[in-house]
Amino acid sequence: QQQVKQSPQSLIVQKGGISIINCAYENTAFDYFPWYQQFPGKGPALLIAIRPDVSEKKEGRFTISFNKSAKQFSLHIMDSQPGDSATYFCAATSRGFTGGGNKLTFGTGTQLKVEL
Amino acid sequence: GAVVSQHPSWVICKSGTSVKIECRSLDFQATTMFWYRQFPKQSLMLMATSNEGSKATYEQGVEKDKFLINHASLTLSTLTVTSAHPEDSSFYICSARDRSAYEQYFGPGTRLTVT
Repeated sequence: QQQVKQSPQSLIVQKGGISIINCAYENTAFDYFPWYQQFPGKGPALLIAIRPDVSEKKEGRFTISFNKSAKQFSLHIMDSQPGDSATYFCAATSRGFTGGGNKLTFGTGTQLKVEL
Repeated sequence: GAVVSQHPSWVICKSGTSVKIECRSLDFQATTMFWYRQFPKQSLMLMATSNEGSKATYEQGVEKDKFLINHASLTLSTLTVTSAHPEDSSFYICSARDRSAYEQYFGPGTRLTVT
């Protein structure tokens, strides 16, 4: 029940196109859903996050869409650029303090390559 | 803001020796820090959760006597890999949670190679 399923495993998009990465969760206690971007040899960087009280959040070219009833959320990268080529991880956690310090449950990651 | 540093960024050590990795939150106070391990092309695996001033909570299967974690202040946590072996070679990443928020901010990672 702690799993977060992420797809696709890898994605190739043309420059200027839209990259879409999907995640699904099972634990209804999850109430905070961040996305992280990781370049090779670097730590993950927080990209954008959403709470379940909204269905969409947009920051620049990055948009999270959230479907609470389906327990799914997705990341859309508009006007994808070669510099966006990285691994993207979705994650989920419960903000309520359970003694676990808000542990993140990560998806398996998506390797995005944006081609010229 | 929300910068987390790690030191060293990479380290090579001989089998049987111990290695200490530092994780610092530079511009915020972190009541909780997390330590992860990541293998190539895989997701992050949580090793332990560290709360300032208390003992770390280890995930199932992680040897607490091998991976010693100390969270001595609101800005510093350390991970010591004791009696390192080649199978401990990995990318170790820490993260810190701002005491006033829920976001976790990650350090740049430490590449450990045990020869």
